Amino acid sequence: AQSVTQLDSQVPVFEEAPVELRCNYSSSVSVYLFWYVQYPNQGLQLLLKYLSGSTLVKGINGFEAEFNKSQTSFHLRKPSVHISDTAEYFCAVSAPGTDKLIFGTGTRLQVFP
Amino acid sequence: NAGVTQTPKFRVLKTGQSMTLLCAQDMNHEYMYWYRQDPGMGLRLIHYSVGEGTTAKGEVPDGYNVSRLKKQNFLLGLESAAPSQTSVYFCASGQGVFHWNEQYFGPGTRLTVT
Repeated sequence: AQSVTQLDSQVPVFEEAPVELRCNYSSSVSVYLFWYVQYPNQGLQLLLKYLSGSTLVKGINGFEAEFNKSQTSFHLRKPSVHISDTAEYFCAVSAPGTDKLIFGTGTRLQVFP
Repeated sequence: NAGVTQTPKFRVLKTGQSMTLLCAQDMNHEYMYWYRQDPGMGLRLIHYSVGEGTTAKGEVPDGYNVSRLKKQNFLLGLESAAPSQTSVYFCASGQGVFHWNEQYFGPGTRLTVT
């Protein structure tokens, strides 16, 4: 079975500062990894995904994530955040042959001016 | 394409009342899912469907029933609502195992049970 841990429930940061949102997963098999974003009062939308190949994945809105198999991590980064990046971010994992996504509990990113 | 739509957007129920939440998708996806979102608990899977006419239990199925009579629709029913079912409900769809379980979400339904 797979599981996901998002270590930080909240991350406050000032505008134009860099940010890293942490995600660790557990699985005995190879995995697919996702980051979703949820803006206030909206549904989730896909930011980026890792399926295979290059471990550095670029997504929408200037976000990127790096898959690290040895550390079982998939941390999300942005070099310079904007007020509009204030949202909840969810890491998720699935495995070949399974039929569900397993979500972390989410990290609330709050960007201050 | 409208993507995934949910009806209604908001609803207030009294304890013991029943209701049905409707999810519709126009992407011809095989898989559909119902989640609930509560503060600090992330998304929890209630029920899901891997195709028309099929349903399966998720992590928190008690108190809910579902039906998938048509491929594009997935209904979530509460037969006797309880205050513990106050939550935001999200529907999602995807191609499941054929597409890495990537999912597309609706805008949510905010349900309050008093």
